[in-house]
Amino acid sequence: NAGVTQTPKFQVLKTGQSMTLQCAQDMNHEYMSWYRQDPGMGLRLIHYSVGAGITDQGEVPNGYNVSRSTTEDFPLRLLSAAPSQTSVYFCASRGQGRTEAFFGQGTRLTVV
Amino acid sequence: GENVEQHPSTLSVQEGDSAVIKCTYSDSASNYFPWYKQELGKGPQLIIDIRSNVGEKKDQRIAVTLNKTAKHFSLHITETQPEDSAVYFCAASFRDDKIIFGKGTRLHILP
Repeated sequence: NAGVTQTPKFQVLKTGQSMTLQCAQDMNHEYMSWYRQDPGMGLRLIHYSVGAGITDQGEVPNGYNVSRSTTEDFPLRLLSAAPSQTSVYFCASRGQGRTEAFFGQGTRLTVV
Repeated sequence: GENVEQHPSTLSVQEGDSAVIKCTYSDSASNYFPWYKQELGKGPQLIIDIRSNVGEKKDQRIAVTLNKTAKHFSLHITETQPEDSAVYFCAASFRDDKIIFGKGTRLHILP
């Protein structure tokens, strides 16, 4: 049982480049979320989804896009990377009913 | 929107002593309050949670208390051990779909 899998683990981008962070879960969870973690800022919600075809914005959505074409996958797209997007990104999933959220191992992104 | 405040940002305690981390939330509709522990290089993991119809919950050396009137909740770790050193996050959920986290507390257990 893999849980939540994020790829890549590390990435360096140049300003202006685009890329997609991948997230997949094998627990058939309805809810999936993306967070970014910055020193002193905790975990801030970027986007979230309550099921396939449904997404919504979190606290800090600007500069990011998401889609949820399947229950398993929830990719996060950086449209035009900026140094302010240097961060550690975590994907999380949980089942319906406010149960435990399971996090991936994170993607450390550096934008130069 | 929902806001969760967490204090302190850093906490150092002697091994064997107790540690307390406090959080407040803004939305009175919040009804689920989990605590997560994050070890270096890893994603957060749930350690304990409490729902709004319960005032206190214990799991071995860890306990969480909730005061709905004051909109605050706390994590208590007793008989601290070196493996308790980590970053701890409180969170609040007022809808099924999203959880809002506090900014975290870095706990250091001193030998």
